[in-house]
Amino acid sequence: QVQLQESGPGLVKPSETLSLTCTVSGGSISSYYWSWIRQPPGKGLEWIGYIYYSGSTNYNPSLKSRVTISVDTSKNQFSLKLSSVTAADTAVYYCARDHGDYPLDWGQGTLVTVSS
Amino acid sequence: DIVMTQTPLSSPVTLGQPASISCRSSQSLVHSDGNTYLSWLQQRPGQPPRLLIYKISNRFSGVPDRFSGSGAGTDFTLKISRVEAEDVGVYYCMQATQFRTFGQGTKVEIK
Repeated sequence: QVQLQESGPGLVKPSETLSLTCTVSGGSISSYYWSWIRQPPGKGLEWIGYIYYSGSTNYNPSLKSRVTISVDTSKNQFSLKLSSVTAADTAVYYCARDHGDYPLDWGQGTLVTVSS
Repeated sequence: DIVMTQTPLSSPVTLGQPASISCRSSQSLVHSDGNTYLSWLQQRPGQPPRLLIYKISNRFSGVPDRFSGSGAGTDFTLKISRVEAEDVGVYYCMQATQFRTFGQGTKVEIK
């Protein structure tokens, strides 16, 4: 059973870059797609983007100019960077193992608050 | 962007009774490869979402058979044949035909 764990700062200042890492255990990252999804408190889900283990990416067009997703197969990790954050980026951020058409397994999520 | 619209947004149900959630897309979800990439996810309180149904009607591993999906084109339905207490939560439809977008969510609660 693949398990995913998000890690990173829980508080980020406005205009700075949000950085999160997802560590994959119980399986190799060298297959499947790997996604980031977020959920503002009390609201619905928003897909941020995904990366294939080979490095190809696909980003939400509404966030594309600010998002970078990368993968480190040697560490079995993938990462999210979201630049120029505002309060609207406050959310629970989830990482997920993805089939390519649907998410298979999710991390528990990590709350990131954007505030000075 | 493809907009996904769910109805109802809230569904109070009696234990043991059926529940139905509708999801409509702003354009056809039939991909150029012939597949329709419509999934349903469940989010129990305080938990991450989990996959229930993929490609309209395929139950994911471990999902009880009281959950079923149907539909085509732009109109889709998730049905729970007999609601149990553990089914309380928010249900989302998600399309992956053109990137990914979610419905607003439907809250299922017990009357």
